Amino acid sequence: LAKTTQPISMDSYEGQEVNITCSHNNIATNDYITWYQQFPSQGPRFIIQGYKTKVTNEVASLFIPADRKSSTLSLPRVSLSDTAVYYCLVGEMNNNAGNMLTFGGGTRLMVKP
Amino acid sequence: SQTIHQWPATLVQPVGSPLSLECTVEGTSNPNLYWYRQAAGRGLQLLFYSVGIGQISSEVPQNLSASRPQDRQFILSSKKLLLSDSGFYLCAWSTLAGTGELFFGEGSRLTVL
Repeated sequence: LAKTTQPISMDSYEGQEVNITCSHNNIATNDYITWYQQFPSQGPRFIIQGYKTKVTNEVASLFIPADRKSSTLSLPRVSLSDTAVYYCLVGEMNNNAGNMLTFGGGTRLMVKP
Repeated sequence: SQTIHQWPATLVQPVGSPLSLECTVEGTSNPNLYWYRQAAGRGLQLLFYSVGIGQISSEVPQNLSASRPQDRQFILSSKKLLLSDSGFYLCAWSTLAGTGELFFGEGSRLTVL
């Protein structure tokens, strides 16, 4: 099973770009990479998903190198409201169980004024 | 549009008492349903998932159980609560289409005293 490793915490300031990297050395051919955001006392919310290269949506960008052993979530110009925990998940898309549903400890991002 | 509701939002229970948390999904049919638990400051632990009525899979052996009496209803139960059952319980649903994105309910905070 692909295991993910993320930094426990990160600090940033308003207006800066934040990059959170996730390591997944044992990623399998059929695995996708998905990121979620969680605010205190709420359930996680889907941010972005990708398989390779770069994916961008209205919230974030996801960079995946050719070997796919890591991925980087990029949040442009963060604000105080981006303070949250960010989770990286790796697994087969639409799988009923396994890694795609397994949340690790996540990265606690603190955005300061 | 699809919605998910779980209740109660908060509850305080004595050790040894029973537990029943309920989750319902609207606006979709035949969803995959999940129960997660999150201890304070920790990641999410998948407890149970269900791909259909009466079909329950358990990820972690414990004194909790789950049932799915109807297509869009998922119930988490315990006959006798332990102190270690305290936490934030989240119900979620997904479909087999698209990204496999998980949609979470509002959560139920359980304190066992």
